[in-house]
Amino acid sequence: AQKITQTQPGMFVQEKEAVTLDCTYDTSDPSYGLFWYKQPSSGEMIFLIYQGSYDQQNATEGRYSLNFQKARKSANLVISASQLGDSAMYFCAMREFSGGSNYKLTFGKGTLLTVNP
Amino acid sequence: EPEVTQTPSHQVTQMGQEVILRCVPISNHLYFYWYRQILGQKVEFLVSFYNNEISEKSEIFDDQFSVERPDGSNFTLKIRSTKLEDSAMYFCASSVEGGEQFFGPGTRLTVL
Repeated sequence: AQKITQTQPGMFVQEKEAVTLDCTYDTSDPSYGLFWYKQPSSGEMIFLIYQGSYDQQNATEGRYSLNFQKARKSANLVISASQLGDSAMYFCAMREFSGGSNYKLTFGKGTLLTVNP
Repeated sequence: EPEVTQTPSHQVTQMGQEVILRCVPISNHLYFYWYRQILGQKVEFLVSFYNNEISEKSEIFDDQFSVERPDGSNFTLKIRSTKLEDSAMYFCASSVEGGEQFFGPGTRLTVL
């Protein structure tokens, strides 16, 4: 079973509009973290936002916010006021306790976001 | 701002050759990771490393792979006998305990 599911292979949005990228996850671990990374065409992985399973409030970082619905096991990324530079692949990832202090990340397949002028 | 660095940015090798991919983690980080991304696919965990030993490895990380921290700053991934299917982008990452993982820019490995 997939641990991280991103159901949108591609998304299009008009510049200055908001867009939501979906992510659902599957874990039996009560302690976990959810991450979003951006991968532009140049290939690097850029950390965007983090949500811990015990965090009471949804995470926000500038134009990025995470719509965390624990009961539904979803952690959707919301990008407000899209910019042309937001065009990239976006990956949702989960960190579970793996028996030590190292926490491997499990990634989804990604969503390719295209921002149209 | 401190960052993870990786060298080389692109490595081309012949099938069967050994390659060593190098990473310099952020200086106060003690937890290190290698991930792989085959072109057009998702990022996959290979191995995590702490206190000079492997903490966890995936099924991808077979006997052809090894990791080492040869000195106080470098963290290396060695592939002993490369196969065509090893062609991918390899990312190094580092973190403090329980912290977010910072990724390097990646090394694109092409096996011919």
